[in-house]
Parts: sequence; structure tokens; C-alpha cells
Amino acid sequence: GENVEQHPSTLSVQEGDSAVIKCTYSDSASNYFPWYKQELGKRPQLIIDIRSNVGEKKDQRIAVTLNKTAKHFSLHITETQPEDSAVYFCAASLRNTDKLIFGTGTRLQVFP
Amino acid sequence: DSGVTQTPKHLITATGQRVTLRCSPRSGDLSVYWYQQSLDQGLQFLIQYYNGEERAKGNILERFSAQQFPDLHSELNLSSLELGDSALYFCASSVVGTGGNTEAFFGQGTRLTVV
Repeated sequence: GENVEQHPSTLSVQEGDSAVIKCTYSDSASNYFPWYKQELGKRPQLIIDIRSNVGEKKDQRIAVTLNKTAKHFSLHITETQPEDSAVYFCAASLRNTDKLIFGTGTRLQVFP
Repeated sequence: DSGVTQTPKHLITATGQRVTLRCSPRSGDLSVYWYQQSLDQGLQFLIQYYNGEERAKGNILERFSAQQFPDLHSELNLSSLELGDSALYFCASSVVGTGGNTEAFFGQGTRLTVV
């Protein structure tokens, strides 16, 4: 069945440094890869996504890269700020199936 | 506000009891997902409904069941509750957008505490 592995489970960085979170998926038919951010006590919210026909996507300080051959994708946050502190979840789905399988989450802490 | 409404927000009940969690999806969304998030844990996929029919199942216990009604709202029923069922239960809804993207919108969750 589908499975998404996410690493690391926790990540601590100094403000201004970069943070990288990596995910690996098992189903080679997966073709949509969103990232969600969950702040303490709040619901997960979509921050960026990428489709399988694209290798990289950027949105200001965040970027996602996809390696279809290796079946892994990564979230990159540059110039981290304390407000980036949250739990980040990757997910994978098949286009048009509406089914999202989430990774186990990464707790990112950005220290001032 | 995501447009997904979950009730109740908090629920405290005793072991052995049965509870029902309710979810109203965003207007127009046909898919409803249920996820369980235990303390410091990830989002465990329980079950998905699409337009009233069960579409996918995750690691949902036999003591748990769900359904989606004709008006597209969904209910998650948890029975014979155990202490380990204490968790935050999220409902999400989605629509397949242009190009096949599947953005899921989450409700605020129902925090279930079993004592």
C-alpha cells in the first residue's frame, strides 16, 4: 500500500539558517505532493505543493524539489524565522483520486 | 477559516462509551477524510468518503465507523472507547481542482479525551 516516510522527526535551527525536510514515497504512481504546516493547536494548512511534471517550485522563502526516479521530495525553507516554528507534514496522492497519505511530520524549531 | 466545520470541539467521555464526531465539508467538496492525531504523532489516515460512498480505508479500528450523508456531511462513530483513543480527530474535505491537484482543507479538529 501507499506509504510516505518523512525525516527528520525534529529539527532545530538558528534564525536565519536554512531547514530541509525530506520525504520518500512508495507508490510510483503518486503524482501530487503537497506540504502542510501545522502551528501549535491549529489545523494543518497547505503551504506549497508540486506536481510530478515539475522538478522544483519556489514561493518566497520556501521551495520544494521532486526526484521522481528516487521517489523522494524535499521542503527547503531559507532565512528561517521564529514564526516558521511548527510541525510540517508532507503528503502524496494520485492525481484525481482525492486520497492524501501523510508523512509522520517534522517538528521544526527556529531559535532566535 | 477553512470552511470545514467540525463539532464538537472538545469531548470528554468515559471508557466503554460511544461518541459521534460530526464534519461539514466545504461547499462543493465531495470528498471527506478523517484523520487521527495522537499526542506528538502524525496524521493517521482513517477513512475517506466520496459523494456518499466509502472510497479508501486506512488503519481504522473495527470499533470505529463512519458514513457520509446525502447532504455530504460526515460522521465518525467511535465505540467501546479506550484510553488510547484519546486524540485530536481531524476532518478534511477536498475537491479535485484544475489539473488534478488535491488540496485538502482541514477543520479545527475535535479533541477527544477518554477518562
